[in-house]
Amino acid sequence: QKEVEQDPGPLSVPEGAIVSLNCTYSNSAFQYFMWYRQYSRKGPELLMYTYSSGNKEDGRFTAQVDKSSKYISLFIRDSQPSDSATYLCAMRSLVDTNAGKSTFGDGTTLTVKP
Amino acid sequence: GAGVSQSPSNKVTEKGKDVELRCDPISGHTALYWYRQSLGQGLEFLIYFQGNSAPDKSGLPSDRFSAERTGGSVSTLTIQRTQQEDSAVYLCASSPSGANVLTFGAGSRLTVL
Repeated sequence: QKEVEQDPGPLSVPEGAIVSLNCTYSNSAFQYFMWYRQYSRKGPELLMYTYSSGNKEDGRFTAQVDKSSKYISLFIRDSQPSDSATYLCAMRSLVDTNAGKSTFGDGTTLTVKP
Repeated sequence: GAGVSQSPSNKVTEKGKDVELRCDPISGHTALYWYRQSLGQGLEFLIYFQGNSAPDKSGLPSDRFSAERTGGSVSTLTIQRTQQEDSAVYLCASSPSGANVLTFGAGSRLTVL
């Protein structure tokens, strides 16, 4: 079983919908949680970064971490066609000070239809 | 440069051939990473360079894979005697020392026939 599980989708929603993307994990040492967005034929770009539990909001995006359930979510409000991309969750522990050695989910492909 | 530059963007090769993939990181970024992304898969860490320290090669899948970084800047990932299972997108990322944010290149798409 993978340390980080992410539903690959694909997920298709109409423009304006609220999107919920989720990852579960098994390693209780994970403390840093990231969401990356990857457009087709491009490299991932960091969207949200949270430490430990709680919520973080940035514009239409909200990241939630529930460490008790080992479950993280990314919500996208008022989704736009430009949000169509693959979303990757990533996480690492305090011991892994190397940001590049995060454990990544396999990504969820999202399509927002006009 | 303005971003992380990778070349070639696409490479088709025959099984058994050697390939070299190049990464030009953001100027001043001391950390450089290579990842492999197979179809529908997440990012698989391959190797990490930090300044003048010995590289962390713990993610390299076999001794056919090697990488070097010259002058603390440009890096080359070499795959010898390529196999069909090496087909993937190879991504490079760089970051300033100690930073949590990685900047990725667009990747090199390798197809081994």
